[in-house]
Amino acid sequence: DGGITQSPKYLFRKEGQNVTLSCEQNLNHDAMYWYRQDPGQGLRLIYYSQIVNDFQKGDIAEGYSVSREKKESFPLTVTSAQKNPTAFYLCASSRTGGDNSPLHFGNGTRLTVT
Amino acid sequence: LAKTTQPISMDSYEGQEVNITCSHNNIATNDYITWYQQFPSQGPRFIIQGYKTKVTNEVASLFIPADRKSSTLSLPRVSLSDTAVYYCLVGPRSDAGNMLTFGGGTRLMVKP
Repeated sequence: DGGITQSPKYLFRKEGQNVTLSCEQNLNHDAMYWYRQDPGQGLRLIYYSQIVNDFQKGDIAEGYSVSREKKESFPLTVTSAQKNPTAFYLCASSRTGGDNSPLHFGNGTRLTVT
Repeated sequence: LAKTTQPISMDSYEGQEVNITCSHNNIATNDYITWYQQFPSQGPRFIIQGYKTKVTNEVASLFIPADRKSSTLSLPRVSLSDTAVYYCLVGPRSDAGNMLTFGGGTRLMVKP
């Protein structure tokens, strides 16, 4: 089945460590996105990529970095510069970046930093 | 970018029709309106998308008035499993990049 795979489902890190969250899609979608969700809140856009080797900052990019070396992969690194990294992270993709095609989401990675 | 406003929460009972309205006063000409459903600890799931008038699929209907400044998601005969958060999302303007921004959503509670 086609879809988006985020791994791991739960991730624990010590404060001051960088951590990378994986996102892989086999939908042949051009665009990919990372969102952050805090308890009881909506989704906030961290980064998005419309095409390989290109990405743009979203609303809350500070303390995060991404790469898009392959069409199917869009890993997110949460750096030690992110002040409040504990959150639920969601990756999504869409067919293209500009035609309003619906988003397909993974099931998220819950990151806890202590 | 079109900002959306939805009620924070709604309560309903099993078997009732539920209507959730979303306001998007500065929607752009080429923007679509898309609704998503999210269960706890899961990613949002696409429900329905429309541009104008009415769209219906197997799970919901979407009503969009002529001025497109609002839209209403209609869920017929809800069940307990429809308890979730529902997000209204207005599609990006192609000349402004691809900033797909979610609002806070509407938390629907369906009671027996």
